[in-house]
Order: sequence, then C-alpha cells, then structure tokens
Amino acid sequence: EAGVVQSPRYKIIEKKQPVAFWCNPISGHNTLYWYRQNLGQGPELLIRYENEEAVDDSQLPKDRFSAERLKGVDSTLKIQPAELGDSAVYLCASSLDRGDRMNTGELFFGEGSRLTVL
Amino acid sequence: EDQVTQSPEALRLQEGESSSLNCSYTVSGLRGLFWYRQDPGKGPEFLFTLYSAGEEKEKERLKATLTKKESFLHITAPKPEDSATYLCAVQEGPGANSKLTFGKGITLSVRP
Repeated sequence: EAGVVQSPRYKIIEKKQPVAFWCNPISGHNTLYWYRQNLGQGPELLIRYENEEAVDDSQLPKDRFSAERLKGVDSTLKIQPAELGDSAVYLCASSLDRGDRMNTGELFFGEGSRLTVL
Repeated sequence: EDQVTQSPEALRLQEGESSSLNCSYTVSGLRGLFWYRQDPGKGPEFLFTLYSAGEEKEKERLKATLTKKESFLHITAPKPEDSATYLCAVQEGPGANSKLTFGKGITLSVRP
C-alpha cells in the first residue's frame, strides 16, 4: 500500500516569493493534516480536513497561508509571500476515522517538504 | 506553559544499556497519549496509543506506560537501529480526530 506522498521534497526560494506544497494521502483516508516542524521542535498543526471540510485551521496564518483539499483527496498548501521565518519542514499526514471507539489515533505521515527561504 | 514536556532532550546509550524516556503533560481531559518515532529526513512513524492511567503497550524492545501526569517509553537492550527521535503527543477531546499536540522530542543515539 502506498504511503502519504508529498512533493516537492525540497524547495529553496527567495523571501516574498510564493511556494506550494502538494499532498496525496493514503487511499480511503478521510482526514488530512498539514503540520509544520521547525528544527529541533515537534510538529505543529496548521490545518485539519475531514473530507473536503477544514475543521480546524486555527493555527494557520491566514494572511499568507492558504490550503485546499479538492474532492476530499489531494491537498495543496500555499504560502504567499514567503518570509524567512517560514523555513521549516511541512508535513502532511492522513488518518481514517473509523468512529470514536475504533480510532487508534494513528496518523500516517509523509516524508515532508523542506522549505528554505533566503 | 508547554502542554507536553519531554526529557531528556538527548540521550546516548551503549548497545544493550536499557533506559527510559519521559513525557510529562498538563492537559485536562486527556483523550489519548501517543508515541511516534522519527528518523532523520522522514516523517514521524506511529508507535503506540495509550488511553488511561495504568495502561501499558509493548513492541519489540519498547514498552510505553501511562500515569495521570506522565508517560514513559522504556527501551530494553537497545540496538543501534533504535537511534531516532522519539516524539510524544497528547490529544484532548472532543472529537475522535482532534488535534495532537507534540513535544519537542528526545533524540536517542545508541552506540554499538
């Protein structure tokens, strides 16, 4: 079974330029997450989708970040314009919501997209 | 105040030298506590979920335990391939998929 696929793996841009990251979750997984991980830190949630609906975007900096999940499958995270502080690894994860008692809380993460803003 | 605190930040062990990693949390209404392993350049990989105090789970050389304030990841007779960063995360209710709050992780190095 294919895992969560992210692209690009690495991206280097100048500040104020736009950048986009793409994520293809595990087939059949209805919940998709975007996390940001700074060096030496744990992942921090940016946005969570249940199917097409963004159910938690409270940590997403909405002035420059946007995300979409078309048809409840693939997702794109965009930053425009990028700032120096946006340098980080952007992780996509997916999970299957089987119902309250059945969930193990297991998230399946992709390998991440490492962004460097110069 | 951090909701999840992991200690120590880094741990170096000799192969075969057992030890424990600590995760303390301050959330109320804990829905679940999770341990993940992360290798360099990779995304986190799920290890365990613990739901209630007193619960224990094992996988190969790893055993996770949970109390009302902290969790321990015990590593018995570690091998070099156990070297990785171990992340702890907590989930508060409600909602089966409510967000996970991660700690900063503990970097484990096991020398042969």
